[in-house]
Amino acid sequence: AAGVIQSPRHLIKEKRETATLKCYPIPRHDTVYWYQQGPGQDPQFLISFYEKMQSDKGSIPDRFSAQQFSDYHSELNMSSLELGDSALYFCASSRFGSTYNEQFFGPGTRLTVL
Amino acid sequence: GENVEQHPSTLSVQEGDSAVIKCTYSDSASNYFPWYKQELGKRPQLIIDIRSNVGEKKDQRIAVTLNKTAKHFSLHITETQPEDSAVYFCAAPGDSSYKLIFGSGTRLLVRP
Repeated sequence: AAGVIQSPRHLIKEKRETATLKCYPIPRHDTVYWYQQGPGQDPQFLISFYEKMQSDKGSIPDRFSAQQFSDYHSELNMSSLELGDSALYFCASSRFGSTYNEQFFGPGTRLTVL
Repeated sequence: GENVEQHPSTLSVQEGDSAVIKCTYSDSASNYFPWYKQELGKRPQLIIDIRSNVGEKKDQRIAVTLNKTAKHFSLHITETQPEDSAVYFCAAPGDSSYKLIFGSGTRLLVRP
């Protein structure tokens, strides 16, 4: 079965640079969630989209922005990167209206900021 | 907003023994409680979930119980195996957007 795809899998950036993370949800899934997971921590919700509209916003810095496109893939844009942005970034997808909107996670993008 | 607390933070058991991880939540309106297993550097994988209209759900060696009155739910793993070693997260929906609020995780080690 098709799963959530994330690219790139690994990314190394310098401080103050920008990064773009991409997420391709499971086919027929219309909702995308972004989570940030620091070392030894639980995933923290950043932002979500349903039908290309932002549906909720969590602890996402103003330096970050995201959007969902007509094909339902999503991109997380991160600017003015800081050392503390180094983390695993997971995208999860679900199908609105499915039983309790089960979320399935992608393999993640490991971002390292030097 | 929803707050999820999880304990213990670490759990070491002998292979074949049972393991129990407990979580409490704060929002009485929450109605869906998934459990995720995460191996080092990998994605959280949904292993079992429970809806608020049932008190227990079982899938082979894994079971989850829910006590809505007390607002807590637990993961039970029986006949543990070394491959069960991982970090386990409980979660609850934050609000109507269905974002997940995770517990702090339990690192389970199954000793051969």
